[in-house]
This record gives sequence, structure tokens and C-alpha cells, in this order.
Amino acid sequence: GENVEQHPSTLSVQEGDSAVIKCTYSDSASNYFPWYKQELGKGPQLIIDIRSNVGEKKDQRIAVTLNKTAKHFSLHITETQPEDSAVYFCAAYKAAGNKLTFGGGTRVLVKP
Amino acid sequence: DAMVIQNPRYQVTQFGKPVTLSCSQTLNHNVMYWYQQKSSQAPKLLFHYYDKDFNNEADTPDNFQSRRPNTSFCFLDIRSPGLGDAAMYLCATSRQGFTDTQYFGPGTRLTVL
Repeated sequence: GENVEQHPSTLSVQEGDSAVIKCTYSDSASNYFPWYKQELGKGPQLIIDIRSNVGEKKDQRIAVTLNKTAKHFSLHITETQPEDSAVYFCAAYKAAGNKLTFGGGTRVLVKP
Repeated sequence: DAMVIQNPRYQVTQFGKPVTLSCSQTLNHNVMYWYQQKSSQAPKLLFHYYDKDFNNEADTPDNFQSRRPNTSFCFLDIRSPGLGDAAMYLCATSRQGFTDTQYFGPGTRLTVL
């Protein structure tokens, strides 16, 4: 089955700096990669996703890059703000088996 | 304008006493999911429905059951809760499947005494 590893598990950044979270996946057949943000006491919320036919996608301060050869994808948050503090989960989807596998999560703390 | 609603937000039950968690959606989405999330862990899929078509994950304990009487509602029944079932239970919906955006509810935190 698919295995998704996410690093780092915790990340502390100064407000205004950039944050980068990296995920690696094991199955080259995976073709859809969403990122979810979970604030304390709330359910996860999709913030950005990328499909395997695209190498990069941006949405304002958030970007995701995908390297299919190396089987890794990364979330980039620029100009971090205190409201970016949350737990972030990456995931990888594989059509065979119809399965979405989550990474272990990264707790991001943005210090004012 | 809540889209995925879960009730109750907090549920306390006794060891072995059946409990039902409910989820409703205003999105008219075809797919509904139930996840279990333990502290500092990723959500773990228990089962999902494509309309009325029920899909159970292989490692979901028999203790967990689900019902989806109509498009809008989905229930999670825990027949005999154990201490290890204490967790946050998240309901989510998506339009057609896993590659569509999943909209999560706020979750129900279950405590087992």
C-alpha cells in the first residue's frame, strides 16, 4: 500500500518568514496530492491540492510543488502570519484501491 | 451557513454503552466519510459512502457501524465503546470522490469512562 512520510513534525517560524513542509510517497501510481490545514478544535480544511500532471501550483501565499521522479511534494507558505499556526496534513491518492493516505502532520507555530 | 454539521460536539459515554454520532450536510454531496482522529495523529478513514454504496476499510473494527438513511444524513454507531475508542470523530463530504475537495465537519470528541 501507499506510505506517506511528512517532515518536520513540528516547525516554528518567525512571523514574516517562510515555512516549508515536505512529504514523500512510496507509490508512483499516486496522482492527487491535497494539503489540509487543521486549526485547534476544528476539522481539517483543504488549502491547496495538486495533480500529477502539474509541477507547481500557487494560491496567494501558498504554493505546492511536486517532483514525481523523486516522489515528493512540498507545501510552501510565504510571509507567514500568526493565523497560519495550525497542524498541516499532506495526503496522496491512488486510484487503484481508491485510497487517500495521510501524512503524519506538521504542527506549525508562527511566532509574532 | 454551516455545510457539514456534527452532533453532538462532545459526547461522554461509559465503557460498553452504545453511542451514536450524527452528521448532516447541506452540500448535497454524493460521498460521505467517517474518520477517527486520535491526539496528534492524522485522520484515519473508517468507512465511506458513495450515495448508498457502503465501503468499509479493512482495518475498521466490527464495533463500528454506519448508516446513511438519505443524502443529507450519516450516522456512526459504536456498539460497545472501549477506552481505546476515545477520539475525535470527523465527518466529511465530497462531490464525487477522494479527488474532490473534502469538506470536514467540526468533529465530535468522544470520551469513554
